[in-house]
Amino acid sequence: DVKVTQSSRYLVKRTGEKVFLECVQDMDHENMFWYRQDPGLGLRLIYFSYDVKMKEKGDIPEGYSVSREKKERFSLILESASTNQTSMYLCASRPPRGKSNQPQHFGDGTRLSIL
Amino acid sequence: QKEVEQDPGPLSVPEGAIVSLNCTYSNSAFQYFMWYRQYSRKGPELLMYTYSSGNKEDGRFTAQVDKSSKYISLFIRDSQPSDSATYLCAAIRNNNDMRFGAGTRLTVKP
Repeated sequence: DVKVTQSSRYLVKRTGEKVFLECVQDMDHENMFWYRQDPGLGLRLIYFSYDVKMKEKGDIPEGYSVSREKKERFSLILESASTNQTSMYLCASRPPRGKSNQPQHFGDGTRLSIL
Repeated sequence: QKEVEQDPGPLSVPEGAIVSLNCTYSNSAFQYFMWYRQYSRKGPELLMYTYSSGNKEDGRFTAQVDKSSKYISLFIRDSQPSDSATYLCAAIRNNNDMRFGAGTRLTVKP
């Protein structure tokens, strides 16, 4: 079974802090994704990465950056946290489309509160 | 307009009922369709995954895709309280472009 592990289940930070959310997958997947999930809005893609050191902006990248130094690890960074970034953050991974038709597998999420 | 539309509910049914969850999508380029189940305080887990039009069955769950009308459905037979969760539909149209519905919250009452 694919295992996607997010380092924190709950996190409380203050406005202006730099926040790091970590995600690790154990299936050697090339593709990794960061989403945020808000009531009524569903899942929105922040950033994705299709290889080490590669990244692509999703639909809502503003206020976020990412880092992919190793294949198994994908980090989401809130450069200067703001209250509107309070949300559930979900990490996902999957193989590239040409290698497999597998859809995405998700971690259990990090519920982030910015005070 | 969102590319994948899903009625957020909530939907409440008695145990044993047949549940029908539905989504529509706007772009015919979507090729693969999924249903995820998400329990409270957990990440989405894949339930069903299909490519072609028609039905795919897995136990009490049936996924249905109608590409001509851009309509996807999930049916749950003999629903159980343990089926209470939020159900998300999703569609993929190229290598990495995956779109989700907003999710329907389902409660199955004993």
